Amino acid sequence: DGGITQSPKYLFRKEGQNVTLSCEQNLNHDAMYWYRQDPGQGLRLIYYSQIVNDFQKGDIAEGYSVSREKKESFPLTVTSAQKNPTAFYLCASSIARGQETQYFGPGTRLLVL
Amino acid sequence: AQSVTQPDIHITVSEGASLELRCNYSYGATPYLFWYVQSPGQGLQLLLKYFSGDTLVQGIKGFEAEFKRSQSSFNLRKPSVHWSDAAEYFCAGDGGATNKLIFGTGTLLAVQP
Repeated sequence: DGGITQSPKYLFRKEGQNVTLSCEQNLNHDAMYWYRQDPGQGLRLIYYSQIVNDFQKGDIAEGYSVSREKKESFPLTVTSAQKNPTAFYLCASSIARGQETQYFGPGTRLLVL
Repeated sequence: AQSVTQPDIHITVSEGASLELRCNYSYGATPYLFWYVQSPGQGLQLLLKYFSGDTLVQGIKGFEAEFKRSQSSFNLRKPSVHWSDAAEYFCAGDGGATNKLIFGTGTLLAVQP
């Protein structure tokens, strides 16, 4: 079955620690995205990538970093610079740039210890 | 500025009753419009989308939405709600070449037996 997988489902971060959230897709999509979801705020775009080895900052990129070394993978690192990382993180992908439908993974919930 | 607004934070309907969830958009030109549904702790599932053409769009699970340019609206409807429809519903718009989705803040639907 084609789809988007995110792991882990739950992730705990200690103060000063960097953590990496995994996102993999086997849909052969060129574009991938990371969103952060907080209660009552909808989804906000962190980073997006239109093609391998290229990515762009979204609306709330501070404290986050990404890489896109493979078409199938778009990991997100939450760095210690992100002071309020507790949230639900959603990865999405679409066929290409432009006005295409985005498909979402099941999400990772990040909690701070 | 481009925006998507969902005026209702929370709606409660009785099972079997009809449902209408409101969505208004603000874009320079007609955007692509989407409705997604999210069950607790899950990712977003696409219900339907409007790109162009027929203004009444049919989606999955018996949902439909009507695009009204004059009202800048894209309201989601269902003639008879089932208990399994209880979830959070997000309207989103995409008006540009970067495929940047702008989400509303969501409407939480509760279904009474």
